Amino acid sequence: DAGVTQSPTHLIKTRGQQVTLRCSPISGHKSVSWYQQVLGQGPQFIFQYYEKEERGRGNFPDRFSARQFPNYSSELNVNALLLGDSALYLCASSLDVGRRQLGYTFGSGTRLTVV
Amino acid sequence: SQKIEQNSEALNIQEGKTATLTCNYTNYSPAYLQWYRQDPGRGPVFLLLIRENEKEKRKERLKVTFDTTLKQSLFHITASQPADSATYLCALDGTGTASKLTFGTGTRLQVTL
Repeated sequence: DAGVTQSPTHLIKTRGQQVTLRCSPISGHKSVSWYQQVLGQGPQFIFQYYEKEERGRGNFPDRFSARQFPNYSSELNVNALLLGDSALYLCASSLDVGRRQLGYTFGSGTRLTVV
Repeated sequence: SQKIEQNSEALNIQEGKTATLTCNYTNYSPAYLQWYRQDPGRGPVFLLLIRENEKEKRKERLKVTFDTTLKQSLFHITASQPADSATYLCALDGTGTASKLTFGTGTRLQVTL
């Protein structure tokens, strides 16, 4: 079985531009979460989606948005990029929001560099 | 505000010894505490989860303890191997409608021959 797939793996953007990151969860998993990991820090929660609905949002500005599609894949959009948005963006997949005891499966992430 | 502290300094251990990593938290009452391993440039890999009403959980060479009074978790790797070298992240989760992991900054473990 394929794990969590994220694309692209690396991306370089200019300040002010917009970016879309994509995530395909493990087959059968209905929940997708997005995290931002700045170098030297732990991942920070951005969003969680379940059954196409937003279930949680972290402390990020409105420039960050996401959505989940009927096939449970997800996109994270970031508008008006700032240098501080440079980070590893991680997608985490889980069966559903209630089965926390199973842990989360993370993708390898998208490395975003804003110049 | 919620705060999770992990030893920011790297932990250097000789092969075969037991590595012990610490996770302390404040202003939080987690229902679950999880440990993840992360290699450079990769996403975290889930290792173990322990519930608030559990004291200890084991999986092969790994052992996690959870003391909600001290607000501390200890993560042990027995018989350490060079392949165990990685960054280990502690993450807390509550019981809200959104499952939102709050991570520590991680501790880098280096196992040498």
